[in-house]
Amino acid sequence: QQQVKQSPQSLIVQKGGISIINCAYENTAFDYFPWYQQFPGKGPALLIAIRPDVSEKKEGRFTISFNKSAKQFSLHIMDSQPGDSATYFCAASNGGGGADGLTFGKGTHLIIQP
Amino acid sequence: GAVVSQHPSWVICKSGTSVKIECRSLDFQATTMFWYRQFPKQSLMLMATSNEGSKATYEQGVEKDKFLINHASLTLSTLTVTSAHPEDSSFYICSPDTQYFGPGTRLTVL
Repeated sequence: QQQVKQSPQSLIVQKGGISIINCAYENTAFDYFPWYQQFPGKGPALLIAIRPDVSEKKEGRFTISFNKSAKQFSLHIMDSQPGDSATYFCAASNGGGGADGLTFGKGTHLIIQP
Repeated sequence: GAVVSQHPSWVICKSGTSVKIECRSLDFQATTMFWYRQFPKQSLMLMATSNEGSKATYEQGVEKDKFLINHASLTLSTLTVTSAHPEDSSFYICSPDTQYFGPGTRLTVL
């Protein structure tokens, strides 16, 4: 599987601030880029996903920015809350998001300080 | 949305024994099932992809004879870890689709 690089490894943000997590990929065949939230001992939960034909997608407090030429995408969490404290994974797949499995980034441990 | 369940949620076994993990997709016809493995404080790694009624496809480095996958129906897929060893201790997660993941099974091999 091709690599997906994620940064930072850990992040501390004050309540109400903006949390930003970045990912970069190598395989230009990837056509589906989701972000997942995972709490300890639980399976990951899909937050938001984007395809390369758009540069930005927003759902509530979560926004994905996508730069196809740079092969980078990022997650922005607006008005971060203590309940957002979790591990976040970016991922990528080819095959339209259904046919192929996901390649995950290494994860970002996010802590929102009250 | 679809609900994916896994059983057991955790299991402890002795080295050399086999463990079966069940993954059920409720309200979702899972023609494909992805199995992931997650070591502590690490990312998820795709182990294998199974299609209902056919043999699974394993990722490079995953022993197909050690991790037996059966996908006999659209709602049930099983992963059997054969002759488990301590290095197989991990969190195993199934996923019928990129939108849905099971809650995971924590395997500890003593």
